[in-house]
Amino acid sequence: AQSVTQLDSQVPVFEEAPVELRCNYSSSVSVYLFWYVQYPNQGLQLLLKYLSGSTLVESINGFEAEFNKSQTSFHLRKPSVHISDTAEYFCAVSEPRRGSTLGRLYFGRGTQLTVWP
Amino acid sequence: NAGVTQTPKFQVLKTGQSMTLQCAQDMNHEYMSWYRQDPGMGLRLIHYSVGAGITDQGEVPNGYNVSRSTTEDFPLRLLSAAPSQTSVYFCASSYSPAGTTNYEQYFGPGTRLTVT
Repeated sequence: AQSVTQLDSQVPVFEEAPVELRCNYSSSVSVYLFWYVQYPNQGLQLLLKYLSGSTLVESINGFEAEFNKSQTSFHLRKPSVHISDTAEYFCAVSEPRRGSTLGRLYFGRGTQLTVWP
Repeated sequence: NAGVTQTPKFQVLKTGQSMTLQCAQDMNHEYMSWYRQDPGMGLRLIHYSVGAGITDQGEVPNGYNVSRSTTEDFPLRLLSAAPSQTSVYFCASSYSPAGTTNYEQYFGPGTRLTVT
């Protein structure tokens, strides 16, 4: 089973500052990687995902994440944050194995991003 | 499509009571799962199902039962509620096209349960 570590439980930043939310996973086998965002009192929404191909993936609202296989990391970055980015962010990993448990996701404990004016 | 729906949104139970959290999806997804979310713990998998008639345990199954009689519905039953089951519960579904596995999951809005 995978173990997912989000190194920071809380990240406070000022508006328009850059931010990086860190995520490391345990296994070096082939993986799919996801970042989910949860706004207050809502469910989780997919922010971006890496399945294959380019190791740099982007979301529509300016976030990007880079898959680094050698470091087993999938850090999330944004060059300039807005107050509306305040939310909890979850990194998740799955292992694409044929015939095994479809869709099994392993989650990190989450990082609360708070953007101050 | 309504996506993944959950009812109720909020529930308060007394210790020892039983109840069923409802989850439905209208996307014809094979895979459905239940998670609980507790502060600082992330999401932990309770039970999951890879199709109608097939269920299995996740990380924290004790005290919960599930069944999957249809593709659309995946109810979660609390047999005898305990204060340790106070949590936010999320249902999710996903679809893997033939020849692929483990695509993204779609989450419901959650049920906030308090057991006193």
